Amino acid sequence: DTVLTQSPALAVSPGERVTISCRASESVSTLMHWYQQKPGQQPTLLIYLASNLESGVPARFSGSGSGTDFTLTIDPVEADDTATYYCQQSWNDPPTFGGGTKLELK
Amino acid sequence: EVQLVESGGGLVQPGRSLKLSCLASGFTFSNYGMNWIRQAPGKGLEWVASISSSSSYIYYADTVKGRFTISRDNAKNTLYLQMTSLRSEDTALYYCARMYTTDYFYVMDAWGQGASVTVSS
Repeated sequence: DTVLTQSPALAVSPGERVTISCRASESVSTLMHWYQQKPGQQPTLLIYLASNLESGVPARFSGSGSGTDFTLTIDPVEADDTATYYCQQSWNDPPTFGGGTKLELK
Repeated sequence: EVQLVESGGGLVQPGRSLKLSCLASGFTFSNYGMNWIRQAPGKGLEWVASISSSSSYIYYADTVKGRFTISRDNAKNTLYLQMTSLRSEDTALYYCARMYTTDYFYVMDAWGQGASVTVSS
């Protein structure tokens, strides 16, 4: 299975720029997607195909990358962005998720 | 508005069975593939099973293959997950998720609130 590796946690101040990384154990082309999971809620889709913003998601969120290295950027970060962010690949079967990056606001 | 509402969770003893349901509304259910994804307490997300719009294609994670069965009833707009021979490691919040599919990719674009399953004696 394709293993996706994310940093466990980040802490930033509101107004700052934050980048969340996801590294795949093998190429996933651009078939990488990002989800946000706020505490006590279900995940919601933020970014699909590495860089495409899901409808209704603020333009503060952006994604980039291809192959094995991907990045989710939030600029500027707002208090409401406190959540865990997961990457997920759909290039190789089975679909797999990263372990999640918990974003905390200072 | 797309809505996915899971039900059927609960406390069950190891080795027993449980069936989850996911009632869909706000979209044409029969046009979409569907998934079950689970999240153990305090852990990340794990894909469990997928089913295509017409049930022609079904896939399972190795961890549940042979024990879980995914199915759907398009007339009732409902997705199911029959779970048998349950183990403590199956304890999780089970989400149903809609699968947006093109010829090139698929992505889980809508999720339910989840159904809690606890396997314990």
